[in-house]
Amino acid sequence: RKEVEQDPGPFNVPEGATVAFNCTYSNSASQSFFWYRQDCRKEPKLLMSVYSSGNEDGRFTAQLNRASQYISLLIRDSKLSDSATYLCVVNQAGTALIFGKGTTLSVSS
Amino acid sequence: DTAVSQTPKYLVTQMGNDKSIKCEQNLGHDTMYWYKQDSKKFLKIMFSYNNKELIINETVPNRFSPKSPDKAHLNLHINSLELGDSAVYFCASSQRVGQGTYEQYFGPGTRLTVT
Repeated sequence: RKEVEQDPGPFNVPEGATVAFNCTYSNSASQSFFWYRQDCRKEPKLLMSVYSSGNEDGRFTAQLNRASQYISLLIRDSKLSDSATYLCVVNQAGTALIFGKGTTLSVSS
Repeated sequence: DTAVSQTPKYLVTQMGNDKSIKCEQNLGHDTMYWYKQDSKKFLKIMFSYNNKELIINETVPNRFSPKSPDKAHLNLHINSLELGDSAVYFCASSQRVGQGTYEQYFGPGTRLTVT
């Protein structure tokens, strides 16, 4: 089983749509959780950290379920500029980040 | 005011050559990393240094040797390059906060093509 698994994608949605990405992780000792965004031929950039109580940043909402080892990202009112690959990322203390393979989102007008 | 910089951005070289990629961060972070992103876009850790000490060394051929002259720099030297080394190499840095929650900042990547 892969350490971090994500929806295969790609997700093709119209502007204004709501889209949700799911992610599961295998290591129950994982302590920190993130969503990164990577644009084509660019470096990954931190989108948001994911906290146990769930957290929101504008149109983006992240949820964590430690019991199910499941992380989600919800994007409301999709914009063209949201088109990118979204990477689910976990880590334990003292280790490097473990990346999922990413889910590609394409928002069209 | 670039946070994490890498040079060169593109590197095209022939099999068997030796090459180096340099990375510098001006964020004052104490930990730096090298990641490899292959053609399938999978991003995987190679090495990590904390205050110039190697703390993570994944299963990487020993043709790859990282060097950290100080905590702001982490270079990657690759000997006897092979076709399979073609990938994008990302440098990253982070600052430990608490018990392991820390955010990483990535450089722009070095696109290595071995012919």
